[in-house]
Amino acid sequence: IVMTQSPGTLSVSPGERATLSCRASQSVSSNVAWYQQKPGQAPRLLIYGASTRATGIPARFSGSGSGTEFTLTISSLQSEDFAVYYCQEYHNWPPLTFGGGTKVDLK
Amino acid sequence: QPQLQESGPGLVKPSETLSLTCTVSGDSISSSSYFWAWIRQPPGKGLEWIGNIYYSGNSYYNPSLESRVTISVDTSSNHFSLSLKSVTAADTAVYYCARTMVRGSNAFDLWGQGALVTVAS
Repeated sequence: IVMTQSPGTLSVSPGERATLSCRASQSVSSNVAWYQQKPGQAPRLLIYGASTRATGIPARFSGSGSGTEFTLTISSLQSEDFAVYYCQEYHNWPPLTFGGGTKVDLK
Repeated sequence: QPQLQESGPGLVKPSETLSLTCTVSGDSISSSSYFWAWIRQPPGKGLEWIGNIYYSGNSYYNPSLESRVTISVDTSSNHFSLSLKSVTAADTAVYYCARTMVRGSNAFDLWGQGALVTVAS
């Protein structure tokens, strides 16, 4: 299964809404997770099951979708949200696969 | 608070074997709830899953690396290890160990800080 993320880079102003997309090459049901990675740090789990926030994740992060189309939305971007975001599928593994990432930077 | 910590050489020569260990603290590697995983990230690039192992020793590998990879577990020492043989410059990456649940979500909910391994002579 190939996970394709778009756009490659998203330029957003603080306080704006950010919408990131992830498309699977075949249906993965709701078996998708989203991660945030800042420079020099390990990825952090944000969302699993396509829409369930992980422990401690702020409510401004939300996930949606099923089948082949998935979205991560950051409702009002904060300064600490500028990072790279990855989707990952775990529908029928091995292998487990990640998308190529979307970088959210300052507009 | 469970934590993972990678350790091992930061420099490996081409054609040799890369070996890393992940020490689990604050949790038991013998928990029936988790797989323990290795994931890598070449500089400036995305994430690649290498493989998962269960405390019993059952392991699952990325087909793209399966011929060169072995993941093992040591329950007495509460750690698991990665061995990648015949390395080339393309294996230069930050190597992360991580945890994922056995049932339900196979998302990685706990990560080590990562270990940079450079393949060079």
